Amino acid sequence: EAGVAQSPRYKIIEKRQSVAFWCNPISGHATLYWYQQILGQGPKLLIQFQNNGVVDDSQLPKDRFSAERLKGVDSTLKIQPAKLEDSAVYLCASSPNRGDNEQFFGPGTRLTVL
Amino acid sequence: QKEVEQDPGPLSVPEGAIVSLNCTYSNSAFQYFMWYRQYSRKGPELLMYTYSSGNKEDGRFTAQVDKSSKYISLFIRDSQPSDSATYLCAMRGLGAGSYQLTFGKGTKLSVIP
Repeated sequence: EAGVAQSPRYKIIEKRQSVAFWCNPISGHATLYWYQQILGQGPKLLIQFQNNGVVDDSQLPKDRFSAERLKGVDSTLKIQPAKLEDSAVYLCASSPNRGDNEQFFGPGTRLTVL
Repeated sequence: QKEVEQDPGPLSVPEGAIVSLNCTYSNSAFQYFMWYRQYSRKGPELLMYTYSSGNKEDGRFTAQVDKSSKYISLFIRDSQPSDSATYLCAMRGLGAGSYQLTFGKGTKLSVIP
């Protein structure tokens, strides 16, 4: 079974630039999550999708972050404009259903904002 | 006070030692308690989870939950160099509206051959 795929693996941008991350979840998984993991911290949920609908985006900074999951499969997370404090690893995870304790994580995209 | 507290370490032990990793929490609504392992430059992977209080064993790993003290533990017996990783505790409540996982900061463990 193929795991969660993410790209790019690394990205370096300057502040005020925009950036986009892509995630392809495990086939058949209805629930998709985007997390932000700042160095030395645990993952923090940014947004959760159930199929192509948003079920939780309470911690997403909506003035600069956006995400979509068209067709209920792969997903894109965008930051525009980026700030220095956005430097982090952005993890995508998926699970068969909401409420599953086991979430399957991708390798993450390491973002550095200069 | 953060909802979940976890000592970030680092923790360094010799091969074969018993390792104890711990988290405390403040939200009494948490019912599911998980331990994830994260290798360097990788995403977290679930080791095991428990529901409510009690113990659960899986091979060399034992998870304990004491809800009265709001304290959870992960024990690793006969630790191996391959156990070197960051261990994240995570927890959530029960039912719709409580599915979001709250993670600790993670404890970085090194097992020295």
